[in-house]
Amino acid sequence: DGGITQSPKYLFRKEGQNVTLSCEQNLNHDAMYWYRQDPGQGLRLIYYSQIVNDFQKGDIAEGYSVSREKKESFPLTVTSAQKNPTAFYLCASIAKTGQAYNEQFFGPGTRLTVL
Amino acid sequence: AQSVTQPDIHITVSEGASLELRCNYSYGATPYLFWYVQSPGQGLQLLLKYFSGDTLVQGIKGFEAEFKRSQSSFNLRKPSVHWSDAAEYFCAVGAFNFGNEKLTFGTGTRLTIIP
Repeated sequence: DGGITQSPKYLFRKEGQNVTLSCEQNLNHDAMYWYRQDPGQGLRLIYYSQIVNDFQKGDIAEGYSVSREKKESFPLTVTSAQKNPTAFYLCASIAKTGQAYNEQFFGPGTRLTVL
Repeated sequence: AQSVTQPDIHITVSEGASLELRCNYSYGATPYLFWYVQSPGQGLQLLLKYFSGDTLVQGIKGFEAEFKRSQSSFNLRKPSVHWSDAAEYFCAVGAFNFGNEKLTFGTGTRLTIIP
C-alpha cells in the first residue's frame, strides 16, 4: 500500500533535548511538508521541500530543522531552541505534475509531549 | 498572501439533519480550494477539491461544496449527517506557483453529532 508513515506515534522529550520525527513516503512524490497542529490554530507550515537536497522555511521554522537527502524521507528535528514544542506534528507530500494543483496526502501524525 | 476563515469553531447537529460548514478565503487570483476531514489523533483525509469548472463539487462520504467567487466562499454541505461524520473539518486554499505549491489552512470546525 502506498502512503506516508510517521514514527513514532507518541514521543516524549525532556526539556533541553533535541528529538527527530520520522516521515517516509512511498508515493514517489516530489514535495514534502511538515505542519504543526495546536488546538484552535489549524495547521501551520514549518518546513517544506520541493526536491531532494533543497528545502524552505515555512511560517514557523524557528527551533526546527530538516533534511532531505532522499526523495522518500523528510525527517524533522525539534531542537531545544523551540520554546513550546508540545504539539501534534503532521507530514504531507504532493505529486508535482506541473499541470494542476494536486492534493496533499497526509501521514497519521506524531504527538510530541515535552515533560 | 492567501488566508482562510472558518467562522464556526464548533457545530452540533442531530443525526440525519443537514449540515453546512462555512469557509471564506482571501486570494488575489483563482484559488485552489480543498476540504479535509480529521478524526481525533489522525491525519487529514481529502473530502473534495475545486480547481476550475463546475462550481458545485462532489466529494467522498456524500459531501459537496459550492464555490462562490462573488462571496469568496467555499461552503461544505451534506444533506443528512451520520454519527461517523463527527470529526474536525479544515478548509484550505492553495497558491499554484510552479515549484512552490503551498496550502493555507483555516482553524477548523469541530462537528459533534447528537442522536
